[in-house]
Parts: sequence; structure tokens; C-alpha cells
Amino acid sequence: DAGVIQSPRHEVTEMGQEVTLRCKPISGHDYLFWYRQTMMRGLELLIYFNNNVPIDDSGMPEDRFSAKMPNASFSTLKIQPSEPRDSAVYFCASSAGLAGIISYNEQFFGPGTRLTVL
Amino acid sequence: GEDVEQSLFLSVREGDSSVINCTYTDSSSTYLYWYKQEPGAGLQLLTYIFSNMDMKQDQRLTVLLNKKDKHLSLRIADTQTGDSAIYFCAESIDTGKLIFGQGTTLQVKP
Repeated sequence: DAGVIQSPRHEVTEMGQEVTLRCKPISGHDYLFWYRQTMMRGLELLIYFNNNVPIDDSGMPEDRFSAKMPNASFSTLKIQPSEPRDSAVYFCASSAGLAGIISYNEQFFGPGTRLTVL
Repeated sequence: GEDVEQSLFLSVREGDSSVINCTYTDSSSTYLYWYKQEPGAGLQLLTYIFSNMDMKQDQRLTVLLNKKDKHLSLRIADTQTGDSAIYFCAESIDTGKLIFGQGTTLQVKP
């Protein structure tokens, strides 16, 4: 398996533009997570899905952020309109089961998308 | 709420042992984890420990868990330049989410 695939790897956009980040999880994994990493706030969980259904979006910062998972092999994280404070590295991760429930259930991370909003 | 704390930076010489420390708050965590992040890459699971254990050894890695003090440590023996990375401590909480620390940057000097 190629692992978790994210695109684009780098995105530079101007304030006010729409940004769409994409993720392909590992085949067979039923959980998909979106994280954001910044120097100030560290690694934050934004939202996660189980079998394509959003389970917990309490980490989504505001209505400008939305995430979808139309099928088991694809998810998007959209920011509209983007702001400079959204600049961060966004990671997608997938797992077969939830961490610590029954088993340790490793989360496999993609390489991340570095977003810069000017 | 849940919180995981780590020191931000550690510098060691090649061949020395490295010890990275972490404290967590949720006493009901079933598993605790160490993830490694190399430059420009995502996080990768390095090792984990079940909460009813107090030690786990895996080649050059030793994990120590003190449940009473909610303290977790990662010891890397014979540290190599390839071990230079950011190391994240994480706890699993009852919802199955992972709570990550801020990460400790390990610098290994030749």
C-alpha cells in the first residue's frame, strides 16, 4: 500500500481565496482524521470520520472550515474564505479502529499539506 | 480537560542516551504512544505501551510508565544522527481520540 496520500503538498494562496486539501486513506481503514499543526498550538484534531460519516467535528475552528468524505477512499478539507491565521501544516491520518479501544490502533499519517495564506 | 506536556528541546551527542519525558492528565488512558516526525514528513508510530505495564523495551528504545505520577518517558540508547526528529507523546482517551503533546525536538550532534 502507498500509505496515506495527500495533495497538494504545498499550497500558497491569497487571503479570501478558497482552499481545498485532499486525502486518500489507506485501503481498508475505517477511520480518517484531519489534524492541523502550528508552532503555537501544536497538533490539533480538527475532525474525524468513521465509515465516511463525520463523528466529531468539535475541533473545527469555525464555519469557514468544512470537511467531507464522499466515499471510503477520498476526503476533502475546505477553507472558504482563507485567512493568514489558517497558515499551517494539515495532516490527514487513517486507522483501522480507534486508538486505545480494544487495541492500540496505530494512526498512519500522510506527509501533510503546507498551507500558506498571504 | 486532557493535556499532555513535554519539554520542547533536547540536545545530545551521538552515542549517548536520550531521555524524553512527558506528563499526561487522563488517568483512564489505556494506551500511551510515542510518535516520531522527521523533517517534512508526517508522524509515524515509534512505540506504544499499554497502561497496565510499567516498562517496554524494543531494541534501542525503552519506554517507562509511572501511572501514579502520570509520567511517561522514552529512552533511546546509543543515539544516532538519524534519530534527530521531533518526538510526540500521545495518550488515548475514552473516545478513542489521541491527545498529543507539543513535541520534543531531539538534536543529535556528531
